[in-house]
Amino acid sequence: NAGVTQTPKFQVLKTGQSMTLQCAQDMNHNSMYWYRQDPGMGLRLIYYSASEGTTDKGEVPNGYNVSRLNKREFSLRLESAAPSQTSVYFCASSTYHGSSYNEQFFGPGTRLTVL
Amino acid sequence: QKEVEQNSGPLSVPEGAIASLNCTYSDRVSQSFFWYRQYSGKSPELIMSIYSNGDKEDGRFTAQLNKASQYVSLLIRDSQPSDSATYLCAGGATSGTYKYIFGTGTRLKVLA
Repeated sequence: NAGVTQTPKFQVLKTGQSMTLQCAQDMNHNSMYWYRQDPGMGLRLIYYSASEGTTDKGEVPNGYNVSRLNKREFSLRLESAAPSQTSVYFCASSTYHGSSYNEQFFGPGTRLTVL
Repeated sequence: QKEVEQNSGPLSVPEGAIASLNCTYSDRVSQSFFWYRQYSGKSPELIMSIYSNGDKEDGRFTAQLNKASQYVSLLIRDSQPSDSATYLCAGGATSGTYKYIFGTGTRLKVLA
């Protein structure tokens, strides 16, 4: 099993350009998440999808959109990149049983620089 | 009060010692907890989960959960320089939204 995979690993954009970060998991997990991590800020939730067909905003959703394409795939789109979106982006997935949280697993990350 | 709070460190311990990492949480965090290790430039890696009051041991790692005090800890026995990393504490949100709430992490340095 590959676990959680993300593409690309690195990306440099100019201000105003758009791009989509791809994420896939092969663990049959219900839920998928996008986080960003900046120095000294910890992980911040951008958007998540608790189950296939649903998406919800997290802590810092402005400037981003997401698509839960199917149970395996969850993409994050930057429509018009800004320097403030320079960060490391992590995708994660997990499953749940009733109200019980199970372990969340992370992808390797995408390091994005916006010039 | 932050929902999940950790001391940012760095916590420095000599090689072979016990490293003790602590985390407190608010009522907005449910009682499923997870410890992640994150090396610089890498993604968080799950090392322990704990769901019930008490201790849970896995190799050199012991997680402790005290629900009455709203306190979670991770003990690393026989610390090695390779344990030097940032340790993130996380819990599930009580709101039923399936969101996880992370602390900002404690940086651990194990000195050879």
